[in-house]
Amino acid sequence: GAGVSQSPSNKVTEKGKDVELRCDPISGHTALYWYRQRLGQGLEFLIYFQGNSAPDKSGLPSDRFSAERTGESVSTLTIQRTQQEDSAVYLCASSLFVSGGAETQYFGPGTRLLVL
Amino acid sequence: SQKIEQNSEALNIQEGKTATLTCNYTNYSPAYLQWYRQDPGRGPVFLLLIRENEKEKRKERLKVTFDTTLKQSLFHITASQPADSATYLCALDCMEYGNKLVFGAGTILRVKS
Repeated sequence: GAGVSQSPSNKVTEKGKDVELRCDPISGHTALYWYRQRLGQGLEFLIYFQGNSAPDKSGLPSDRFSAERTGESVSTLTIQRTQQEDSAVYLCASSLFVSGGAETQYFGPGTRLLVL
Repeated sequence: SQKIEQNSEALNIQEGKTATLTCNYTNYSPAYLQWYRQDPGRGPVFLLLIRENEKEKRKERLKVTFDTTLKQSLFHITASQPADSATYLCALDCMEYGNKLVFGAGTILRVKS
């Protein structure tokens, strides 16, 4: 079946502009995660959606970052007034929710964002 | 403070040898530990999961150990091949973080033929 898809694959924007990044999770996966990965660094958790529960936004670095998810499908990560420090790869992952942990996360290919 | 440490320098080995990658952590209490592989320009791909009460897990040429006393996991690839060249990430699954994984920065493995 289809994996996690993300769009666009690459995005170049000017400082101060808003960007929207899209994630289509695997069908049936109730959990969805957004991560940021700077060059040569590990994954930085941003936000987590699980079913109809309130999202865990504890990883969002500033109020310029927000995300939404429509039911158990598409999610959009929005970055307002982009800064050069926002340049990174933004990865989305989905998983089947397992109470108590031990979920396997399935990642998309990422969106490479460059802020000039 | 909480830390996850993986070999910061790339690991270069000869084809056919066993590659051993290390993941050390401080001030975490993971119930599970996962290893992922990441190729350039791609998202991570799940490889293995090991529970806190398991000492060792195997899958084909891969072996993971988990020592909660040492707070360390070792990831072994036996009979390594150039196709194994990638970045390998460890991730902690801790009860206090719910279902969120905490990732290390990864170790680059290069297998030379």
